[in-house]
Amino acid sequence: AQTVTQSQPEMSVQEAETVTLSCTYDTSESDYYLFWYKQPPSRQMILVIRQEAYKQQNATENRFSVNFQKAAKSFSLKISDSQLGDAAMYFCAYRHGPSGTYKYIFGTGTRLKVLA
Amino acid sequence: DTEVTQTPKHLVMGMTNKKSLKCEQHMGHRAMYWYKQKAKKPPELMFVYSYEKLSINESVPSRFSPECPNSSLLNLHLHALQPEDSALYLCASSQVRTGFENQPQHFGDGTRLSIL
Repeated sequence: AQTVTQSQPEMSVQEAETVTLSCTYDTSESDYYLFWYKQPPSRQMILVIRQEAYKQQNATENRFSVNFQKAAKSFSLKISDSQLGDAAMYFCAYRHGPSGTYKYIFGTGTRLKVLA
Repeated sequence: DTEVTQTPKHLVMGMTNKKSLKCEQHMGHRAMYWYKQKAKKPPELMFVYSYEKLSINESVPSRFSPECPNSSLLNLHLHALQPEDSALYLCASSQVRTGFENQPQHFGDGTRLSIL
């Protein structure tokens, strides 16, 4: 069975600085997708970034980028130029690849605090 | 603005009441999901519908009864709930067609449910 581990329950970063959130996963599959979701106090889960396992290039979305190490089964999220609005719970999620209904496996989450 | 709409946003009910949660999306997604989320925990999958048919039931107690009347609407009927069922209930939707495997789930804002 697949598992997702986020070893940092809480992280803090100074505004405008860079922070990296870690995520590791375990799977025997070769075709899968990885996601980072953000959940602010407003409750909605918001997609931050996604990575297809078959792509070697790390995904980037503006200030957010990932370091995807397939062999090490690691998928960390880097937030550059941190802003107060980045404060939220961040969940790493794994999803099996083929088309159809998808079962996401979420990590336990990392609460990010941004200090002014 | 969220593309998945959940109503009500808050619900307080007694253990003998019957109520329903509603979820609606108009993105043409043919997979819809119910999750339960306790405070400071990741979402836990409850049910998945694919093309209006139940495809995954994660051994959820029968006091929770899902229904998917059409491709845009998902309901969760509640009856005789227990205090431990108090949680945030999230709805999500996604594409299921071949070629859209990298598309993420889109989440609603959730219904905060309290059982007295």
